Amino acid sequence: GQQVMQIPQYQHVQEGEDFTTYCNSSTTLSNIQWYKQRPGGHPVFLIQLVKSGEVKKQKRLTFQFGEAKKNSSLHITATQTTDVGTYFCAAPWYGNNRLAFGKGNQVVVIP
Amino acid sequence: NAGVMQNPRHLVRRRGQEARLRCSPMKGHSHVYWYRQLPEEGLKFMVYLQKENIIDESGMPKERFSAEFPKEGPSILRIQQVVRGDSAAYFCASSDRVGNNQPQHFGDGTRLSIL
Repeated sequence: GQQVMQIPQYQHVQEGEDFTTYCNSSTTLSNIQWYKQRPGGHPVFLIQLVKSGEVKKQKRLTFQFGEAKKNSSLHITATQTTDVGTYFCAAPWYGNNRLAFGKGNQVVVIP
Repeated sequence: NAGVMQNPRHLVRRRGQEARLRCSPMKGHSHVYWYRQLPEEGLKFMVYLQKENIIDESGMPKERFSAEFPKEGPSILRIQQVVRGDSAAYFCASSDRVGNNQPQHFGDGTRLSIL
């Protein structure tokens, strides 16, 4: 079945610095979604990318879909304490009406 | 404009008891997904339902677990004869249309603890 791999699994980021988290697949994806889960909270949909090479921005967050549609990245600039949480990517499970989630990138922000 | 509602938020059961987890999707949503999350891990798909139908239950254990989404009322995830390994957070999500390109809206989850 379809799997998406996320790297790194954990990150400690100094407040004010930038960081990137990655999502990779061995197969071409029709689209990819990103979610954020705060500690003790529930996943919240952030964005969906559909087109090859697509780049979308949400304030300090930049999402990118690779040209081959096999990988995606989320880049956050000027990290704030509110950025703490786990970031998940999710991709369609081929042939099924559901999503396969990566294991997530747990981000800790150091004040 | 209520979101996805799950209850209870926390549930404690003793081994051998039954656990019933409820999920009311967002208004207008007819597609419900159940996920299980262990500490420090991702979301594991369990089951996908539409009103009165189980569409995909390939992620759900064959024994002790069942799910339903009746015509009236919330979706129910039922775990019979619970064991310690069932302790986890169970999240429900809903979407308004079929298809794997639809955003999913999650509830707050039910944290199940087995004594």
